[in-house]
Amino acid sequence: AQRVTQPEKLLSVFKGAPVELKCNYSYSGSPELFWYVQYSRQRLQLLLRHISRESIKGFTADLNKGETSFHLKKPFAQEEDSAMYYCALSGRGGSNYKLTFGKGTLLTVNP
Amino acid sequence: ETGVTQSPTHLIKTRGQQVTLRCSSQSGHNTVSWYQQALGQGPQFIFQYYREEENGRGNFPPRFSGLQFPNYSSELNVNALELDDSALYLCASSSGTALSYEQYFGPGTRLTVT
Repeated sequence: AQRVTQPEKLLSVFKGAPVELKCNYSYSGSPELFWYVQYSRQRLQLLLRHISRESIKGFTADLNKGETSFHLKKPFAQEEDSAMYYCALSGRGGSNYKLTFGKGTLLTVNP
Repeated sequence: ETGVTQSPTHLIKTRGQQVTLRCSSQSGHNTVSWYQQALGQGPQFIFQYYREEENGRGNFPPRFSGLQFPNYSSELNVNALELDDSALYLCASSSGTALSYEQYFGPGTRLTVT
């Protein structure tokens, strides 16, 4: 069974501080990992995916297969980063059509 | 370009009733996925429709069913509603079934079952 765990329900940091949102997964094969974000009163949207290896809005995430983790990091948090963040997983090949989401972490960046 | 729309925004039903939720996909998209998001949880995959056929299904009972129309809009039907069906129902459209195609989410329909 595939599972995504986000251990922190709430995370609060000050503007300019580094931020790390944790994500651990359980999957028997080789997964694809994603981070989705939902800003206040907006829709759920894709932030980044591990296969793209890109930095979006200053955020990066590295897939660590040994630790089965896909933590989201940003060196200097901004107030506009305050949002709900969901880590999600999908299988590859024939099962690469459905996402399994974690429960989410609500990030608050204080001024 | 029109984004994903869902209707109604919210509704209240009684246990045992049936409900139909609607989703209009983004222009140019042929795939619609449905998710259920209970309070305090992440979205949970219900099923996906591609070119009017069900392409895959999550762990939901048969009383959750769907349709996709020739214009790629979609319906989610839930029969014999239970209290635990109370949730936000999200649809997402994309231009292909694989997740290499970005999914664009709608605003959701909030269903309350009493």
